[in-house]
Amino acid sequence: NAGVTQTPKFRVLKTGQSMTLLCAQDMNHEYMYWYRQDPGMGLRLIHYSVGEGTTAKGEVPDGYNVSRLKKQNFLLGLESAAPSQTSVYFCASRSLAGGRNEQFFGPGTRLTVL
Amino acid sequence: QQQVKQSPQSLIVQKGGISIINCAYENTAFDYFPWYQQFPGKGPALLIAIRPDVSEKKEGRFTISFNKSAKQFSLHIMDSQPGDSATYFCAASMLAGANNLFFGTGTRLTVIP
Repeated sequence: NAGVTQTPKFRVLKTGQSMTLLCAQDMNHEYMYWYRQDPGMGLRLIHYSVGEGTTAKGEVPDGYNVSRLKKQNFLLGLESAAPSQTSVYFCASRSLAGGRNEQFFGPGTRLTVL
Repeated sequence: QQQVKQSPQSLIVQKGGISIINCAYENTAFDYFPWYQQFPGKGPALLIAIRPDVSEKKEGRFTISFNKSAKQFSLHIMDSQPGDSATYFCAASMLAGANNLFFGTGTRLTVIP
């Protein structure tokens, strides 16, 4: 199992450009999440999904959109990138089944907006 | 507003020593308190977690102490090793629903040989 994978690993954008980050998981997890990680801020939730076709806003949703057309994929879009969106983005997934309530994280995407 | 406050920002410990990281929260609806470990260039990974119905949980060298009345919890790493050098994040969530995690700001631990 690959677990949670993210594409791309690195990206540099100019202000105003758009892009889509792809997250894929092969664990058949129901829940998926997008976080951003900034120095001194920890990880903050952008958007999340509790199942195929459903999405909801997290703590810092402004400037981002998401889609979950397939259970295994969760896409994060930036329609018009701003320098404030320079960050490391992490995707995570979690199973509905009980137990550890563990979120499994991908390796991250480092995005720089110039 | 930071829902979970974490300290210290960085910590240097000698090999074999005890590392202690502290967190505090305000929302009494939180009922799940995990700790995540992150190595450079990697995503965070769950280390250990506790529910508020117990005051302590131990897994190997890692122990969570939980004080419900003070709304504080801490991670203790016994016999710290250089391989424990990483950034540690505490978090809190409500298990009902999507279990969205609110993370602390992180502690960079360095264990020197």
